[in-house]
Amino acid sequence: DQQVKQNSPSLSVQEGRISILNCDYTNSMFDYFLWYKKYPAEGPTFLISISSIKDKNEDGRFTVFLNKSAKHLSLHIVPSQPGDSAVYFCAASAQGSGNTPLVFGKGTRLSVIA
Amino acid sequence: EPEVTQTPSHQVTQMGQEVILRCVPISNHLYFYWYRQILGQKVEFLVSFYNNEISEKSEIFDDQFSVERPDGSNFTLKIRSTKLEDSAMYFCASSEQGLGNQPQHFGDGTRLSIL
Repeated sequence: DQQVKQNSPSLSVQEGRISILNCDYTNSMFDYFLWYKKYPAEGPTFLISISSIKDKNEDGRFTVFLNKSAKHLSLHIVPSQPGDSAVYFCAASAQGSGNTPLVFGKGTRLSVIA
Repeated sequence: EPEVTQTPSHQVTQMGQEVILRCVPISNHLYFYWYRQILGQKVEFLVSFYNNEISEKSEIFDDQFSVERPDGSNFTLKIRSTKLEDSAMYFCASSEQGLGNQPQHFGDGTRLSIL
């Protein structure tokens, strides 16, 4: 039951170029989407999020785009830096009355090559 | 920056034994969660907790699992009789509010190895 899919297990990008990480979802009840970055031996670190009422959210070098009709979101990193090399997880939740479990994708390993 | 802390970082336990994983959520957060990640698989939700009660749990969170907030700072996950398939990374998370538009912040995890 893959409600959140990250179809690219890995991505390599040259330093200074744009990294684009993609995520698709199937559950139309999802209305909040997040990206987490994970280094080895550490927990997921929150990066950026977007509500379903928006189609774009930007924070410094990171921009998340949401296409609700296509049930697709993407994370753009510009310019990419070697320190961005990590596993990136897309996650989604459906707003409820209280705690809302996150549903994660399998992750995409980004390698930024100097 | 405040963070979620988890202890121990690695726990090795014999099958059938009880194990308690400990977490200290961010101090002003009210909502707490446990997730796990089996090697090579997705991060999966186990349970959420608010106001000293379980708010929601997944089908993974069966009778062998329990959670507790024994004092004002700790949040624990207990596995009563561990099985080989319980081997995984266990992540604790907390959020300031329970609504979907607040991010959950994760600890660095406890690697649980069942022998």
